[in-house]
This record gives sequence, C-alpha cells and structure tokens, in this order.
Amino acid sequence: GAVVSQHPSRVICKSGTSVKIECRSLDFQATTMFWYRQFPKQSLMLMATSNEGSKATYEQGVEKDKFLINHASLTLSTLTVTSAHPEDSSFYICSALHPDEIKETQYFGPGTRLLVL
Amino acid sequence: DQQVKQNSPSLSVQEGRISILNCDYTNSMFDYFLWYKKYPAEGPTFLISISSIKDKNEDGRFTVFLNKSAKHLSLHIVPSQPGDSAVYFCAASDRGSTLGRLYFGRGTQLTVWP
Repeated sequence: GAVVSQHPSRVICKSGTSVKIECRSLDFQATTMFWYRQFPKQSLMLMATSNEGSKATYEQGVEKDKFLINHASLTLSTLTVTSAHPEDSSFYICSALHPDEIKETQYFGPGTRLLVL
Repeated sequence: DQQVKQNSPSLSVQEGRISILNCDYTNSMFDYFLWYKKYPAEGPTFLISISSIKDKNEDGRFTVFLNKSAKHLSLHIVPSQPGDSAVYFCAASDRGSTLGRLYFGRGTQLTVWP
C-alpha cells in the first residue's frame, strides 16, 4: 500500500523558535497533500491543503504566516511552525492523495508530536 | 462547528461479538463517507467507505450502513477481534467541492477484550 512518512516523529522546542516538519510520499507522487492538527480527544482539524508548485490553501482561522507550507516537489511537503508558542503544542498529521485512487482516499503519515516549552 | 459527530468517545466489546460505531453528520451536501482506523503513534489508515447512492457497503468483517434521511452512518465489525482495538474516525466529503477535503469526527476508542 501507499506509504507516507513524517519527520520528526517528536520534537520539543523552546518558545520563540521555528520547527519544520516534513511529509513525504514514499512510493507515489502526490500533487495534493493535507496538513491536520489534532488536540487530545479532538477530531482531526484540517489546517491547509498543500498543492505542488502553488500556494497552499489555508482553512479559516489558520495563520498562514505562522504555519508556512511548502510543497516543492511531488513527494515532499513541509510545514514550518514559526515562532512557536506553548499553545502550538499539538499532534500534526499530514496526508497525501494518491493519483490512482479516488480523491477522497487519503494516506496519512504517522504524525509529529510537537511540544513547545 | 462540528459537521461530523461521533457521540460515543469509547466502546468496549467482547471478542467475537459485534461492534457498532455510530456517526452523525449535519451537512446535507456530504455525499461520500469514510471510516479510518488509528493506532497510537500512527496515522489513520483507511478502512471502508460508502457513497451516498448506496445504503450499505461490506468488506469482510466490516460493513458500513448509511441512512441519508437520518444523516447517520454506522460501522459494524463482526466478529470483533482484539486487534480491532483502536480509535475509529468517521469522515465525510462533499465530492463536488474542494478536492479531497474531509471532515472528521472526534473518534471512538474501541476496545475488544478476550
């Protein structure tokens, strides 16, 4: 099956620093990737849709200057949390659309646990 | 505004019996529904889906039922196995809208005990 990886799996940083999270589709090319955020006991909340070669589309309420998304290739999308603060601590998950499957079938990465001190 | 709701945060079932996970939605534009399964420290994995033109879809031990008039769907697992213990997310999509956009419920933790 299709595999999506994320790196790092866990990161702890100081308040005010920036953190980059990578999402890779390992065995397929993904023109569209999604970034989600999940708080404890909450649903997956879509933050933005990342399209290769174009600007990301952000959901309402998500600060595009704080959560920078770059989809520079068909296999890699990055999410950079700039000037992170404790309230940014969360579980971040990416997913990718497989080009050969129906558009709603997303393959998810294992997630990145971010803790901002 | 939660457009997809899973009102039961947890469900405990004995091995061999049926597990029924429920999901409700509010947006009448949703026309495609999916169930994902998630183990701790892993991303969700696709389990089964159903289009709004159907009311039932079956795949092995997993069956999803859709009641459009009630805006309700359910996932049946029979027989349940200990390996089914995980968090199950219900998701919905408006296929005529943004490519691949999914709306998720909060998940139901299923525990299958021997």
